[in-house]
Amino acid sequence: DGGITQSPKYLFRKEGQNVTLSCEQNLNHDAMYWYRQDPGQGLRLIYYSQIVNDFQKGDIAEGYSVSREKKESFPLTVTSAQKNPTAFYLCASSPGQGAMTGELFFGEGSRLTVL
Amino acid sequence: GDSVTQMEGPVTLSEEAFLTINCTYTATGYPSLFWYVQYPGEGLQLLLKATKADDKGSNKGFEATYRKETTSFHLEKGSVQVSDSAVYFCALSEPYMGRRALTFGSGTRLQVQP
Repeated sequence: DGGITQSPKYLFRKEGQNVTLSCEQNLNHDAMYWYRQDPGQGLRLIYYSQIVNDFQKGDIAEGYSVSREKKESFPLTVTSAQKNPTAFYLCASSPGQGAMTGELFFGEGSRLTVL
Repeated sequence: GDSVTQMEGPVTLSEEAFLTINCTYTATGYPSLFWYVQYPGEGLQLLLKATKADDKGSNKGFEATYRKETTSFHLEKGSVQVSDSAVYFCALSEPYMGRRALTFGSGTRLQVQP
């Protein structure tokens, strides 16, 4: 079945450690996105990528890094510089014009907890 | 910059009650507007959309009308069911302003009791 796969679903990290969240899609979509979801704050955009080898910062990019080496993959690294990394992270993808049609397809999310 | 404001939840209703979830927006130009729904333990799904003023989006009994004069896009349903319990997000997009991603509101949790 076509869709977006995020892994792991749950992740625990000690302070000072970097962690990478995986996002893979087999929908042949050009664009991919990372959002962070916190209670009462909705979804905030971390990074997005419209094409391979290109990405743009969103509203809260500090302490995060991404890569887009393949069309299917858009991993997110939460670095030790992120001051409050405990959150629910959602990956999404869309066809090239997805930002206009609003048709983003979301994964089931990864919940990161810093101990 | 662009922003979306939603009514705070949770909204608790009895089955078959009428639902309204308010959404207002701030944008530079003429955004497209969307409602997404997130069921427990899942990612978000597009519920409905409207791309220009006075358009009405509808799906699964839900409706929302794009009101430019009041910068609003309120979500309504005439008779809610227990299965509608979820978190609802209002969102907008202005890709021609250089930001090719959606801006989301804070979400409104709906709880429908039998």
